[in-house]
Amino acid sequence: EAGVAQSPRYKIIEKRQSVAFWCNPISGHATLYWYQQILGQGPKLLIQFQNNGVVDDSQLPKDRFSAERLKGVDSTLKIQPAKLEDSAVYLCASSRGRVQETQYFGPGTRLLVL
Amino acid sequence: AQSVTQLDSQVPVFEEAPVELRCNYSSSVSVYLFWYVQYPNQGLQLLLKYLSGSTLVESINGFEAEFNKSQTSFHLRKPSVHISDTAEYFCAVRGSSYSSASKIIFGSGTRLSIRP
Repeated sequence: EAGVAQSPRYKIIEKRQSVAFWCNPISGHATLYWYQQILGQGPKLLIQFQNNGVVDDSQLPKDRFSAERLKGVDSTLKIQPAKLEDSAVYLCASSRGRVQETQYFGPGTRLLVL
Repeated sequence: AQSVTQLDSQVPVFEEAPVELRCNYSSSVSVYLFWYVQYPNQGLQLLLKYLSGSTLVESINGFEAEFNKSQTSFHLRKPSVHISDTAEYFCAVRGSSYSSASKIIFGSGTRLSIRP
């Protein structure tokens, strides 16, 4: 079974530029999560999708971050415009959907904003 | 809302020595508890989880954690560590009901370094 795929693995941009990350969850997983992991901290949930609907986006900075999950499979996370403090690893995870189900994480995208 | 505290940011131990990584949580509702591990240059992987039943849970590579409701703790232990256990370990908590309050909350992580 293929794991969660993410691309790109690394991205360097200048502040005020835009960037997009892509995630392909494990086949059949209804729930998809995007996390932000700042150096020295644990992952923080940005947004959670159940199929193609948003369950929780309470910690997503909506003035600059957006995410979509068209057709309930792949997802993209966009930052526009980026700030220095957005430098972090962006993790995508997926699960079958029930609360007690294990979340499987992708390798992450490391973003550096200069 | 839930929160997680990992008191030790770094734990250095010698190979074959025992180790305990501490985790305390707070929550007003019933919870599920998790330990995730992140090996160097790899993604997060689930190590073990407590959902219900026996308060002592074990992983396939010799780690165990005990859910202590009265002390709101979920400490991770291993009686004898190996070099290959070098990694960052994250404790996490999640409300056990399906609602917007059930998102998983991670601690800040404990970096376990094993000395030969």
